[in-house]
Amino acid sequence: SYVLTQPPSVSVAPGKTARITCGGNNIGSENVHWYLQKPGQAPVLVIYYDSDRPSGIPERFSGSNSGNTATLTISRVEAGDEADYYCQVWDSSSDLRVFGGGTKLTVL
Amino acid sequence: QVQLQQSGPGLVKPSQTLSLTCVISGDSVSSNRAAWNWIRQSPSRGLEWLGRTYYRSKWYNDYAESVKSRITINPDTSKNQFSLHVNSVTPEDTAIYYCARDLNQQYGSPLDYWGQGTLVTVSS
Repeated sequence: SYVLTQPPSVSVAPGKTARITCGGNNIGSENVHWYLQKPGQAPVLVIYYDSDRPSGIPERFSGSNSGNTATLTISRVEAGDEADYYCQVWDSSSDLRVFGGGTKLTVL
Repeated sequence: QVQLQQSGPGLVKPSQTLSLTCVISGDSVSSNRAAWNWIRQSPSRGLEWLGRTYYRSKWYNDYAESVKSRITINPDTSKNQFSLHVNSVTPEDTAIYYCARDLNQQYGSPLDYWGQGTLVTVSS
């Protein structure tokens, strides 16, 4: 089945830019969605269809997808952005919704 | 505003059936635009999609191959809710279970609303 690979952790100083990657075979041809999850809470959709933002999600969150890597970019990082971030695609070869392993974002 | 409220037991004995319910407000389980999903999360498996149900002139279900033989997702239009049943559970089914809505019925749809999650422990 399709595998999505994320770095286990990313650290960034407040006010800087965080980039979280999601690797997959030709992922650029897939629709990629991103979720954040804070401890004890359900995931929240932050980017969908590669780069669209749901209402209520700050413009600081953006996404891109090309080749074998999709990227979630968080600009002007704040302490409140600390969370686990997951990418997700639909694997049409196995009819399965697939999630990445998650990346823990730490704000230094 | 869509809200999903989950309910169900937090402890299930091995070999028995795990049953959870997700009540929908702000949308309809019979919507011909949305789909209704169950996902679980555990330290060993991460986020794992289990399946979904949706209505498009008739009811459809999609199930993950890994659990297809053991799960059923049913809509209940009279109560505007949907349920998950997993039979023959083992300790490996211990996880936080979430219900969630698909923005649309296409396979590549994002999950835009989630329930609060239910920790289900399989233990005797």
